[in-house]
Amino acid sequence: AQSVSQHNHHVILSEAASLELGCNYSYGGTVNLFWYVQYPGQHLQLLLKYFSGDPLVKGIKGFEAEFIKSKFSFNLRKPSVQWSDTAEYFCAVNPSGANNLFFGTGTRLTVIP
Amino acid sequence: EAGVAQSPRYKIIEKRQSVAFWCNPISGHATLYWYQQILGQGPKLLIQFQNNGVVDDSQLPKDRFSAERLKGVDSTLKIQPAKLEDSAVYLCASSLGWRGAEAFFGQGTRLTVV
Repeated sequence: AQSVSQHNHHVILSEAASLELGCNYSYGGTVNLFWYVQYPGQHLQLLLKYFSGDPLVKGIKGFEAEFIKSKFSFNLRKPSVQWSDTAEYFCAVNPSGANNLFFGTGTRLTVIP
Repeated sequence: EAGVAQSPRYKIIEKRQSVAFWCNPISGHATLYWYQQILGQGPKLLIQFQNNGVVDDSQLPKDRFSAERLKGVDSTLKIQPAKLEDSAVYLCASSLGWRGAEAFFGQGTRLTVV
C-alpha cells in the first residue's frame, strides 16, 4: 500500500544538538512534499514545502529538508535545536493527481534544556 | 489574517449519540478539508470541498458521517450515531487552491466517545 513513513516516533535531544527526522514515501511519479509542525496546544503549521527545483529546501526557524528522489525521502534537518523546537513533526505528501495530503504518523521531538 | 476557526474545542458524548463540528475557513479559501487524527496517527482526510462541491469523500464513512459546506464558506461535520472508535481529533483545514496548495489548519475538535 502507498504510504508515508516516519520511523522515529519519539526523539529526545539536548539543546544545541543536531536534528534529522526521517521521512520516506512510496508514491511514484511527481510529488509535492511538506513538513508540518504542531507545538504543544497549537494547530498544525507549515514548516517548509518542496514542489520542484532545488532539492534542498529551507523553511522557517532554521529548518531545512532535502528531497532525494532516488531514495523516496524528504528528511528534515536542523543544525542546532532549541528547547522551543519541542513539538510533533509531520511529513506529508501530495502525490501527482491527488487532491489532498497524505500524512505520516508523526515524530515527537523533545528538546531538553 | 484570521486563521481557521473550529468549535467546539472539546466534546464528550456517549456512543450512539450524535455530534456536530463547525469550521470557518480563512476568508477567500476555496478549498476546505476535514481530517480525522486518531491518537498516535497522522491526520487522515475524510472529505474535501472545492467551494461548496465535494471533491473527495472516498474515506468518509458515509453510513454515519456527513458533511456540508453551504454557500462555499462554513462547513459542518456530523457523526450520527457515534462509535467508540470515532474518538479522535477532527481537524479542519483550508487552502486557496488544491492539489498541493498549502493547507492552513484549525486547532481541531477533540472528540471522546464513551
